Amino acid sequence: DTAVSQTPKYLVTQMGNDKSIKCEQNLGHDTMYWYKQDSKKFLKIMFSYNNKELIINETVPNRFSPKSPDKAHLNLHINSLELGDSAVYFCASSQEATNYGYTFGSGTRLTVV
Amino acid sequence: GQQLNQSPQSMFIQEGEDVSMNCTSSSIFNTWLWYKQEPGEGPVLLIALYKAGELTSNGRLTAQFGITRKDSFLNISASIPSDVGIYFCAGRDFPGTASKLTFGTGTRL
Repeated sequence: DTAVSQTPKYLVTQMGNDKSIKCEQNLGHDTMYWYKQDSKKFLKIMFSYNNKELIINETVPNRFSPKSPDKAHLNLHINSLELGDSAVYFCASSQEATNYGYTFGSGTRLTVV
Repeated sequence: GQQLNQSPQSMFIQEGEDVSMNCTSSSIFNTWLWYKQEPGEGPVLLIALYKAGELTSNGRLTAQFGITRKDSFLNISASIPSDVGIYFCAGRDFPGTASKLTFGTGTRL
């Protein structure tokens, strides 16, 4: 049973399109995150949600809009995709009270052509 | 913002060799973590460190939380082929919901 699952695994789309990536965790964690990994493998946080509330928004363009319908789900919607959005997007979750590390999903490789 | 620099950036080693890598920060962290990422997968937590000076092992892996709280080290003893991957350090600035993990630049083994 996958702890943090993301769909789709791969996404190829044209510039200007709108796309969504879904994330679900079955660990009972109260906080979820989106990270972006660029071509040099650098991991940078985009958003975090705690119990469905936005906590961190790291100067991400407005074209990126996270949505958390409940604490087990955090989806990422991207409008008007640009070439520079091509990257691997990772969802992660944690239980804040324990101060443990994050559990990551296996990533969504987004390619904008 | 905070930056975590890892060294070396990459290393080629022979099976059986010991490996050392480190991570330095421009600011203090409350928690240090080490992750490994394999191709097509997300980072997987290897070791977590919570106190300055703490030395923690996980099998052939040993990590230390630097006394200054601005650095951490990871050692892998007697490396094997399945150790190949990218190793990331990560620091957490303070506990609580508004804190975040800042990742290092990675060491490709």
